Amino acid sequence: ETGVTQSPTHLIKTRGQQVTLRCSSQSGHNTVSWYQQALGQGPQFIFQYYREEENGRGNFPPRFSGLQFPNYSSELNVNALELDDSALYLCASSPAERGAYGYTFGSGTRLTVV
Amino acid sequence: GEDVEQSLFLSVREGDSSVINCTYTDSSSTYLYWYKQEPGAGLQLLTYIFSNMDMKQDQRLTVLLNKKDKHLSLRIADTQTGDSAIYFCADAVSNDYKLSFGAGTTVTVRA
Repeated sequence: ETGVTQSPTHLIKTRGQQVTLRCSSQSGHNTVSWYQQALGQGPQFIFQYYREEENGRGNFPPRFSGLQFPNYSSELNVNALELDDSALYLCASSPAERGAYGYTFGSGTRLTVV
Repeated sequence: GEDVEQSLFLSVREGDSSVINCTYTDSSSTYLYWYKQEPGAGLQLLTYIFSNMDMKQDQRLTVLLNKKDKHLSLRIADTQTGDSAIYFCADAVSNDYKLSFGAGTTVTVRA
């Protein structure tokens, strides 16, 4: 069964370091979005890619960047990590550009910055 | 959408109905979603409704939308212990790309 898979599941990094999180979207889903979910809160939109181009961005600084590849995989890169970056990072994919029919979410990567 | 609000906790007895409420502020919201999150897991799409609908039923789930009051609810009939989870309401605007989530309602099902 296809779905959205994320790696790694858990990660510990030191403040100031850089991190790359990976996502493999569901086949045929050419829209991928990334969300940050802090403990006890709802997910917050980071950005979205459609056909390998960023086409929407939330209120996150430029040190959050991403890439989408033709094989339905994508990356979230975070530079100069801060303690507040500790969160669950969720990848979501959709077959429609604007996710009209809902997004399929992965299980997330739990990032801890110490 | 921008602001989405939900009550934080709900306790319900097994076999009873659960009703989770949500309000949103953006009158341009086109799609409204309910997601479920179990401990340590990602988000599972339960159901969604378009803003031109008042109600949608899917097995044990019933979604009611009052567009005038910007109020959305999710009713779970015959609540089971497996329904214990955090439920998120989210909205999206047709000319936007993001989902705006509420803080989530923690549903606890007691025997």
